[in-house]
Amino acid sequence: QSALTQPPSASGSPGQSVTISCTGTSSDVGGYNYVSWYQQHPGKAPKLMIYEVSKRPSGVPDRFSGSKSGNTASLTVSGLQAEDEADYYCSSYAGNPFVFGPGTTVTVL
Amino acid sequence: QVQLVQSGAEVKKPGASVKVSCEASGYTFTAHHVHWVRQAPGQGYEWMGIINPSDGSTRYAEKFLGRVSMTRDTSTTTFYMELSSLTSEDTAVYYCAKDLSGTWSFDYWGQGALVTVSS
Repeated sequence: QSALTQPPSASGSPGQSVTISCTGTSSDVGGYNYVSWYQQHPGKAPKLMIYEVSKRPSGVPDRFSGSKSGNTASLTVSGLQAEDEADYYCSSYAGNPFVFGPGTTVTVL
Repeated sequence: QVQLVQSGAEVKKPGASVKVSCEASGYTFTAHHVHWVRQAPGQGYEWMGIINPSDGSTRYAEKFLGRVSMTRDTSTTTFYMELSSLTSEDTAVYYCAKDLSGTWSFDYWGQGALVTVSS
């Protein structure tokens, strides 16, 4: 059982936006600014999309953005594209252990 | 380019140990911590621990204390993760992942190594 909570699925039409939530506690998401988001396509290793709540690694489109309010972090994908269809996982430093969310499947309609 | 290349799939019997390797290249080996993460079939990700390649110091998830050992070989720029007393619940894909400069985020991942525990 994951320590963080994510919705199992989210969807949107091309060009629309979708936001995925990641809810934890004051011991993880709320207590540290070490929230990350990963994109994973079937059969591939995860790809880092957001780190430290809202920072984008080099090469990640600015359509991807992250934020946090209290114990909930969010990933927003704007201008949805077909290639954005994937599983998305959040993670957070929590002292010990480090925790992941169960993942959200994003479908582009 | 940064690469983490892991060893191949393993099949182990319950009670045995497994050692997975992760050869790093394309960056300064001692400059970035490496994490080990696993994903059981149909399950989410589980963090196992972290190793500092500069001095070999480690920090393990409480769940694996006493059963996991993470080491590195600076001469071959290779990391190792050994897990002992295997049970069927340890069947999973094991990944090594490079830390993005102390941010507790993983910017490069190995391809994963499937470990199957079965009698």
